[in-house]
Amino acid sequence: AQSVTQLGSHVSVSEGALVLLRCNYSSSVPPYLFWYVQYPNQGLQLLLKYTTGATLVKGINGFEAEFKKSETSFHLTKPSAHMSDAAEYFCAVIPGYSSASKIIFGSGTRLSIRP
Amino acid sequence: EAGVTQFPSHSVIEKGQTVTLRCDPISGHDNLYWYRRVMGKEIKFLLHFVKESKQDESGMPNNRFLAERTGGTYSTLKVQPAELEDSGVYFCASSQDRQGGYGYTFGSGTRLTVV
Repeated sequence: AQSVTQLGSHVSVSEGALVLLRCNYSSSVPPYLFWYVQYPNQGLQLLLKYTTGATLVKGINGFEAEFKKSETSFHLTKPSAHMSDAAEYFCAVIPGYSSASKIIFGSGTRLSIRP
Repeated sequence: EAGVTQFPSHSVIEKGQTVTLRCDPISGHDNLYWYRRVMGKEIKFLLHFVKESKQDESGMPNNRFLAERTGGTYSTLKVQPAELEDSGVYFCASSQDRQGGYGYTFGSGTRLTVV
């Protein structure tokens, strides 16, 4: 069965510091990978996705993630945190090569930004 | 294009009452999904429609939940009778393709509180 593990339910960084949110997945076939963000009182917004091709993917708001098959990881990074990045972040996976797939979410990481 | 619309945004009902949630997907998206997040837990899959047909309803918790998508456009999710454990945020999403490679577009969610 496919699963997604996000290390750290809560991460706190200083404004201007590197943001690193960790995500590992288990999948028997190459998956599609996603990061979603939920700002307070809003819905889930797609940050970035990996389906095929280049393993380093860039998303909105300066975020990027790298698919590392050997490590079964898809960590999310941003070089310099802004106060507006405070939100909850969800890593998600859809098993690849499936005719009908449902997205499987990690448990989420709440990111706080210290002034 | 208009996004995925859900309403109501909030609903507070008493145990034993009935509530109906509605989701309007992006026009032209045949795939519609329902998810929910119970307080502090993971976002869990409920079911998947392709047009008006239920492709996968393996996540529906019990027969108190009934989802419909008449005509393959908007969908409703009815909970009858509601129980305390049904409280949470219910998300709807739609996508162009069944495999999910384009990513899902989520609505803002309906926050359901059963008292």
